[in-house]
Amino acid sequence: NAGVTQTPKFQVLKTGQSMTLQCAQDMNHEYMSWYRQDPGMGLRLIHYSVGAGITDQGEVPNGYNVSRSTTEDFPLRLLSAAPSQTSVYFCASSPGGARNSPLHFGNGTRLTVT
Amino acid sequence: GESVGLHLPTLSVQEGDNSIINCAYSNSASDYFIWYKQESGKGPQFIIDIRSNMDKRQGQRVTVLLNKTVKHLSLQIAATQPGDSAVYFCAEAHSGYSTLTFGKGTMLLVSP
Repeated sequence: NAGVTQTPKFQVLKTGQSMTLQCAQDMNHEYMSWYRQDPGMGLRLIHYSVGAGITDQGEVPNGYNVSRSTTEDFPLRLLSAAPSQTSVYFCASSPGGARNSPLHFGNGTRLTVT
Repeated sequence: GESVGLHLPTLSVQEGDNSIINCAYSNSASDYFIWYKQESGKGPQFIIDIRSNMDKRQGQRVTVLLNKTVKHLSLQIAATQPGDSAVYFCAEAHSGYSTLTFGKGTMLLVSP
């Protein structure tokens, strides 16, 4: 069982470039989410989805887009990268939502925007 | 290397000691609480959870205590081992919301 798989592991972008961070889970979890982790800030929720075709904003959604066309995949798009988006990004999933069961996390994508 | 540990409160213990990591939560409507462990370069890993209708829950070598009166959560690790060295996060889920809010974390350092 692969669990939650994130690609790429590392990425360097120039300001203004766009890219998509990939997240896939093979556990048939309905709930998926994206967090960013910055030093001293803990993990902050960017976007989440309670099922295919349904997405919603978290605490820090600006500059990011998501879509959920399948249960397995939940890509995060940076439309025009900014240095403030330099961070470690984690995707997480759970079978029953954030209030019903623990989140399973991927190992992260480390993004640097220059 | 991983920079998530910068500026975090740190607890240093000797191998074999019992460790207690504390967390204050802010929302009295929160009804689900989780502890995660994060090792360098990895994603957070679930340790133990507790719901607001409980005061205490035990796992293997870990115990979580919940004090709703003062909005305080603690994680006790018995017979701490060097492999327990990591950053520990508490998280709370708010009643009526589909989101989890994380605390800023505590770094646990275990010396042999």
